[in-house]
Amino acid sequence: EAGVTQSPTHLIKTRGQQATLRCSPISGHTSVYWYQQALGLGLQFLLWYDEGEERNRGNFPPRFSGRQFPNYSSELNVNALELEDSALYLCASSATLGPQETQYFGPGTRLLVL
Amino acid sequence: AQSVTQLGSHVSVSEGALVLLRCNYSSSVPPYLFWYVQYPNQGLQLLLKYTSAATLVKGINGFEAEFKKSETSFHLTKPSAHMSDAAEYFCAVSGAGGTSYGKLTFGQGTILTVHP
Repeated sequence: EAGVTQSPTHLIKTRGQQATLRCSPISGHTSVYWYQQALGLGLQFLLWYDEGEERNRGNFPPRFSGRQFPNYSSELNVNALELEDSALYLCASSATLGPQETQYFGPGTRLLVL
Repeated sequence: AQSVTQLGSHVSVSEGALVLLRCNYSSSVPPYLFWYVQYPNQGLQLLLKYTSAATLVKGINGFEAEFKKSETSFHLTKPSAHMSDAAEYFCAVSGAGGTSYGKLTFGQGTILTVHP
């Protein structure tokens, strides 16, 4: 069974540009989560999508947005990039809702903002 | 609000020695707790999780963790370290409701170094 996949693996952008990151969940999983792992800040929750709806959002500005498609894949968009957006962005998926559900993580997309 | 504290950002052990990585949590409701491992340039891999079925939880690669409600702890142990255990380990608590629902709150991570 294929795990969570993310693309691209690396992304280089300049300040002010927009970045689009993509995630495909494990087959059969309906929930997709996004996390940011920035140097010195640790792992922080960004967004949670389930059945196409945004269910929860972390403490990030509105220029971080996303969506979930009918096939449950997801996209994270970061507008007006700032230098501090440089980080590893991790996507995870789970089979159903609920705090006991395991979130399975992808390999991440490393975003570098110059 | 929920939170996780991992004591010790770096832990160094010799190969064959006991591994003990400490995690304390804060949660207003009975918690669901997880340990993940991250190898360099990779995503997170689940080691084990606590969901109230048993206080001693066994995971992959010989790791286990014990949930102690009185101490609000969920420490990770392995009797004998292997060189391949060198990685960063994260403890996390899962949100049960409100603004915490659906999200994992992670500790700051502990880098484990294993010496030959």
